[in-house]
Amino acid sequence: DAGVIQSPRHEVTEMGQEVTLRCKPISGHNSLFWYRQTMMRGLELLIYFNNNVPIDDSGMPEDRFSAKMPNASFSTLKIQPSEPRDSAVYFCASSLRASGGPRDEQFFGPGTRLTVL
Amino acid sequence: AQSVTQPDIHITVSEGASLELRCNYSYGATPYLFWYVQSPGQGLQLLLKYFSGDTLVQGIKGFEAEFKRSQSSFNLRKPSVHWSDAAEYFCAVGARNNAGNMLTFGGGTRLMVKP
Repeated sequence: DAGVIQSPRHEVTEMGQEVTLRCKPISGHNSLFWYRQTMMRGLELLIYFNNNVPIDDSGMPEDRFSAKMPNASFSTLKIQPSEPRDSAVYFCASSLRASGGPRDEQFFGPGTRLTVL
Repeated sequence: AQSVTQPDIHITVSEGASLELRCNYSYGATPYLFWYVQSPGQGLQLLLKYFSGDTLVQGIKGFEAEFKRSQSSFNLRKPSVHWSDAAEYFCAVGARNNAGNMLTFGGGTRLMVKP
């Protein structure tokens, strides 16, 4: 298994530009999570999906951020317009949610390092 | 809502010395508990997890953790640290009653290993 795949690994853009981060979860996993990691705020959950449906987006900082999961094998996190304070590492993670059973671990991708100038 | 506290932001130990990283959680029942490790420039990797049963859990890379309900703790230990263990370590809590697999992460502890 290739694990969780994220692209691009690095993104440098200018303030005001649109940024799209991509994630391919592990095949068969039905939960997907987007996190942001910064020195100041640590690891923050932005949004998560179960069976392609957004369950909790309370961590999304503001309307400039949006996330979609059009199918079980692909998700995007979009920032429009981007700002310098959005600079961070963005992680995607996936897991298998077993109904009635113990919660399985989350498998993390390698992250996308975003720099907004 | 659950929360996780990792009291030590940085820890430095000598190679070969023992290690204990502290994790305290707040949750009304027995939670699911996890320890992850993040090497520089990498994503998070699971070290071990506790769901139920034996309160001493063995993980990868020689790590273990002990769930202590009375202390609301899940401290991570290793008897002899190797230089390659230098990384950031995250404790995480999952609630048994949430509809998904959402985890709450602590702030992390950065481990440095002296030769």
